[in-house]
Amino acid sequence: DTEVTQTPKHLVMGMTNKKSLKCEQHMGHRAMYWYKQKAKKPPELMFVYSYEKLSINESVPSRFSPECPNSSLLNLHLHALQPEDSALYLCASSQVITPVYEQYFGPGTRLTVT
Amino acid sequence: AQTVTQSQPEMSVQEAETVTLSCTYDTSESDYYLFWYKQPPSRQMILVIRQEAYKQQNATENRFSVNFQKAAKSFSLKISDSQLGDAAMYFCAFPNFGNEKLTFGTGTRLTIIP
Repeated sequence: DTEVTQTPKHLVMGMTNKKSLKCEQHMGHRAMYWYKQKAKKPPELMFVYSYEKLSINESVPSRFSPECPNSSLLNLHLHALQPEDSALYLCASSQVITPVYEQYFGPGTRLTVT
Repeated sequence: AQTVTQSQPEMSVQEAETVTLSCTYDTSESDYYLFWYKQPPSRQMILVIRQEAYKQQNATENRFSVNFQKAAKSFSLKISDSQLGDAAMYFCAFPNFGNEKLTFGTGTRLTIIP
């Protein structure tokens, strides 16, 4: 099973709301990633978790707060977002973070901030 | 720093014909993986093919094959017998050594003409 699932598929939130994005994989992967993708652009890395510990934070604003409760789950908590944060948020997983193996992506959450 | 270049922002091909998407990269490493990802309009990023740099044989997955020229640092994707379902954004990706990240190219949007 090479599936990464993400919920919700779509999310509309106001700038004062708090919401969370969820990601799950059951491939036994020990690395999980959050990406942000704007239309017609490649994904931009936000966070990397390795063995449930935050390994990379790409200088993401604190209004984005990642969490890895266990090796299968990855959350992204959102608070006080700005309209420019509207984008497709992709979760991915891979066996480990180094050496760099292929990453498997979820379908994404389309986020709209109003 | 490693860079990945896709020089063709858009390409189109007649159904059943063959098309080649180009990708070049820059690295001083000798052993690495290279990846091609496909992102259809439905948005899920799918791994198309993987090439291991130490293998001289070009990778093949059904109608998808690569032309890997290590000395030239070129990694092109050939799609044979193009089908309507091949319409997508295609990204090549290369490991960013030293920080265990994938660097994506800017993408090539492929249109299939019926």
